[in-house]
Amino acid sequence: SQQGEEDPQALSIQEGENATMNCSYKTSINNLQWYRQNSGRGLVHLILIRSNEREKHSGRLRVTLDTSKKSSSLLITASRAADTASYFCATVRNSGYSTLTFGKGTMLLVSP
Amino acid sequence: EAQVTQNPRYLITVTGKKLTVTCSQNMNHEYMSWYRQDPGLGLRQIYYSMNVEVTDKGDVPEGYKVSRKEKRNFPLILESPSPNQTSLYFCASSRRTGTPKSSTDTQYFGPGTRLTVL
Repeated sequence: SQQGEEDPQALSIQEGENATMNCSYKTSINNLQWYRQNSGRGLVHLILIRSNEREKHSGRLRVTLDTSKKSSSLLITASRAADTASYFCATVRNSGYSTLTFGKGTMLLVSP
Repeated sequence: EAQVTQNPRYLITVTGKKLTVTCSQNMNHEYMSWYRQDPGLGLRQIYYSMNVEVTDKGDVPEGYKVSRKEKRNFPLILESPSPNQTSLYFCASSRRTGTPKSSTDTQYFGPGTRLTVL
């Protein structure tokens, strides 16, 4: 079953603008991770935020986590054409056998 | 270089002809997993393995088998492929952190295997 759901499904912006993607999930989590996928390629890990963290930064990426609302956001600042990709959130649940469960992704297009 | 490799990268086969997609990692990771990716459905987990000789079903295990005889390898076996198994397949690995039953760490993905079953 899908744990994470990204919003929007697709996002088109100009270079230099900021891109914000949201993720909602349903059950208690250990952590939430964001991954990036270039067309037809493997997924690349971007950032991991634990359930006891509220915000995390990595370069031009900023991730927030609100466990009370069961939601997370990924902000890419000063976007570049090379940021064009699909972005997935994935959650690790807290109970039983924990495995990574992915949402369906947000497709980001950054135009020069 | 730390990596996950998959072979083959592309495969076209016919219904019913058994095939194996290999996956190997050189990071000494305990946890390995197989996913399939389909348009509109995102990534769905097929099988995962917490360690050697320990495997378990994911969300969509029907029609697939796996084995974990060695730590570095986790092959995906389709005994009798059908057209609905046409998909993009990814193998991933990570350290097994947290409890003995969990993998809470970052996953490293292979480049993918695009399978077409005619």
